[in-house]
Amino acid sequence: DIQMTQSPSSLSASVGDKVTITCRASQSISTYLNWYQHKPGTAPRLLIFDASSLQSGVPSRFSASGSGTDFSLTISSLHPEDFASYYCQQSYSVPPTFGPGTKVEI
Amino acid sequence: QVQLQESGPGLVKPSQTLSLTCTVSGGSITSGPYYWSWLRQPAGKGLEWIGRLYISGGTNSNPALRSRVTISGDTSKNRFSLEVNSVMAADTAVYFCARENSQDYYFDIWGQGTLVTVSS
Repeated sequence: DIQMTQSPSSLSASVGDKVTITCRASQSISTYLNWYQHKPGTAPRLLIFDASSLQSGVPSRFSASGSGTDFSLTISSLHPEDFASYYCQQSYSVPPTFGPGTKVEI
Repeated sequence: QVQLQESGPGLVKPSQTLSLTCTVSGGSITSGPYYWSWLRQPAGKGLEWIGRLYISGGTNSNPALRSRVTISGDTSKNRFSLEVNSVMAADTAVYFCARENSQDYYFDIWGQGTLVTVSS
C-alpha cells in the first residue's frame, strides 16, 4: 500500500491567516492526489482532485499543487467555516489510502 | 442532488457480523461514471477504504479486510450494503459510504457516517 503522511498534524491559526498543509506519498503518484475537508458529525467534503483541480462549489481561497511525492493545500485567507480537519488521499493505486489528517484550530 | 445515507445497528457483539446499508437518493447506483464505496474511521485515526461496488455488480475490497468483507448492491431499492464478519473491537469506527468517480478515483459525495461499536 502507498503510505501518505501529512504535516503538521495540527495547527492553530486565526481568521484571515494563510495556511499551508503538506502531504507526502511513499512513492510517486503523479497527480493522483485529492484533498478533503471534514468536520465531526458531517460528511467529508471533496475540495481538490487531481492534485490541483478545484471541485465545483469550493471557494477559490482553496488551492493546491504538487506532483510525484510532494503536495500542498493552501487556504489563502481562513474563514470561520474553514476550521476543520483536512485529509489527502492518493488515487494512484488500490487500495486508495489517506493521510492521517491535519486539524486546523482557532 | 445525489445524497447518501448510511443505516444499520450501532452496536455489534464481538465475533458477529456488522451489516450496514447505504441508500442513494437523487441518482442511480447503475449510472456511471461512478463506483460506490465504503470507508471507515476509527476514533482518533485516519480514514480507511474498505471496498467498492462497480455498476456491473462486481466488487473490490481492501486486501487487509478482504477475507471478512462482503459488498453488494440492490438496484431495485437503489442501495448498497456492507457486511463485515467476525468483528472485533478494532472494527469500532464511524462507517461512511461514498460515491467514487470511476475516471479519476476521488470520492465526491459522502454520507454523514454512522458509528458502529463492537462490544459485548
